[in-house]
Amino acid sequence: GESVGLHLPTLSVQEGDNSIINCAYSNSASDYFIWYKQESGKGPQFIIDIRSNMDKRQGQRVTVLLNKTVKHLSLQIAATQPGDSAVYFCAENSGYSTLTFGKGTMLLVSP
Amino acid sequence: NAGVTQTPKFQVLKTGQSMTLQCAQDMNHEYMSWYRQDPGMGLRLIHYSVGAGITDQGEVPNGYNVSRSTTEDFPLRLLSAAPSQTSVYFCASSTRAGGTEAFFGQGTRLTVV
Repeated sequence: GESVGLHLPTLSVQEGDNSIINCAYSNSASDYFIWYKQESGKGPQFIIDIRSNMDKRQGQRVTVLLNKTVKHLSLQIAATQPGDSAVYFCAENSGYSTLTFGKGTMLLVSP
Repeated sequence: NAGVTQTPKFQVLKTGQSMTLQCAQDMNHEYMSWYRQDPGMGLRLIHYSVGAGITDQGEVPNGYNVSRSTTEDFPLRLLSAAPSQTSVYFCASSTRAGGTEAFFGQGTRLTVV
C-alpha cells in the first residue's frame, strides 16, 4: 500500500456528495496558496491555486476559499467521484519555486 | 512530452553508500526542486534551483548535494546514506518563481538498510 496515507486525517464521502477539505497555513506573507492531489504511487498533481489578494477561485468542479483573517484555506469538490479518491495537500508559496506543504488529508469516495 | 522524469523508481542502499537520484525535465522550466515525503507527512523541501548554475538549500538539506549544470537536469546526491534518509523523493519543475503550477515526477522510493 501507499505509506503516504498513514496517520492522515480522512474524509469519507459518498459518490455525488460535495467534499470540503480544510487546511490551516502558517505564513501570512505567502503570495499563493495551492492545492495538490496525490494518487497512490504517483507524484502530486496541481489542482488549483489562489493568490493572497483573492478570497475565492473556481475551477472545474473545484472551488478554493481563502480566509486570511484566520489563515484558513479550503478546497470544495462538487459531485465527488470515485476518481477523486486521493490524498490532498495544501501548499503555500515560500518564494522561488519553493512550496511549504501541509500534512495532507485523505479523501475516500465510496460508490 | 515526458514532463519530469525521475530514475530510478526504486532503490535499496546499505548505510554509508552513496548514490545519485536523477531528475530531468523537457519543458524548459527554470525552476526545479527536490522534496522528500515521509509517512503521514507532507513534502519537505531539500534543495532547489532557480536556473542553471544556481542552487540553494531548503528545509532539510543535510546529507544531500545538488548541482544544476543544465536547465534540463537536477540530480540529487546522497553522500553517505543513512536509515533516516529512507523516504520517497520527488523532483518538481515550474516556469515561474513561486512554482504554483509545479510539475512533479513519479518519485523514487529509497530504502536505506
